[in-house]
Amino acid sequence: DIQMTQSPSSVSASVGERVTITCRASQDISSWLAWYQQNPGKAPQLLIFAASSLQSGVPSRFSGSGSGTDFTLTISSLQPEDSATYYCQQTNSFPLTFGGGTKVEIK
Amino acid sequence: QVHLVQSGAEVKKPGASVKISCKSSGYSFTSYYMHWVRQAPGQGLEWMGIINPSGGSKSYARKFQGRVTMTRDTSTSTVYMELSSLTSEDTAVYFCARDGGNIEARPRDYFDYWGQGTLVTVSS
Repeated sequence: DIQMTQSPSSVSASVGERVTITCRASQDISSWLAWYQQNPGKAPQLLIFAASSLQSGVPSRFSGSGSGTDFTLTISSLQPEDSATYYCQQTNSFPLTFGGGTKVEIK
Repeated sequence: QVHLVQSGAEVKKPGASVKISCKSSGYSFTSYYMHWVRQAPGQGLEWMGIINPSGGSKSYARKFQGRVTMTRDTSTSTVYMELSSLTSEDTAVYFCARDGGNIEARPRDYFDYWGQGTLVTVSS
């Protein structure tokens, strides 16, 4: 199984700051990676697919990059509504696997 | 507008089975694969498997092989996930999640719409 490792596990930043979350795959997954945002008690929401493609309706301050084994999710200017937990997920092969999550908090 | 509406919370005893439903609306039910994902309390996300609502074929995560059964009813646009031999470690919120790609191509294996989740509590 492909292991997905996210870092940091939590981050605290001020409104307007740039936030970067990293995700590392245990083997080459090309660009087969998605990112999700999850608020407490809610289902995850798709942000990014194919490593860098923005899902329809997602604000442009979210962006994804990377390929192979190393990926990043960037929030260019953190907003209060971005306080949530973020997960990466590899879509390269079964079983589909997720990173452990990164909790983003507002200072 | 796409909606996935799941059945309500369940409380089960160890060794029992649970069957959760996920009713789709707002799109062509047989045109998109459906996945099941679970999340234990305070934990991350875990993929369980995928079903093709058109032909009924499925693929399960190895961890759940022999204990999970995914089915669909095209007449009601509903998919089901049944998990048997429950233990306390199966206590989790279970989500159905639609595949991001049309069924004409291979599954995209990311999830563009999710159900609201169904809490399953396993306790004696």
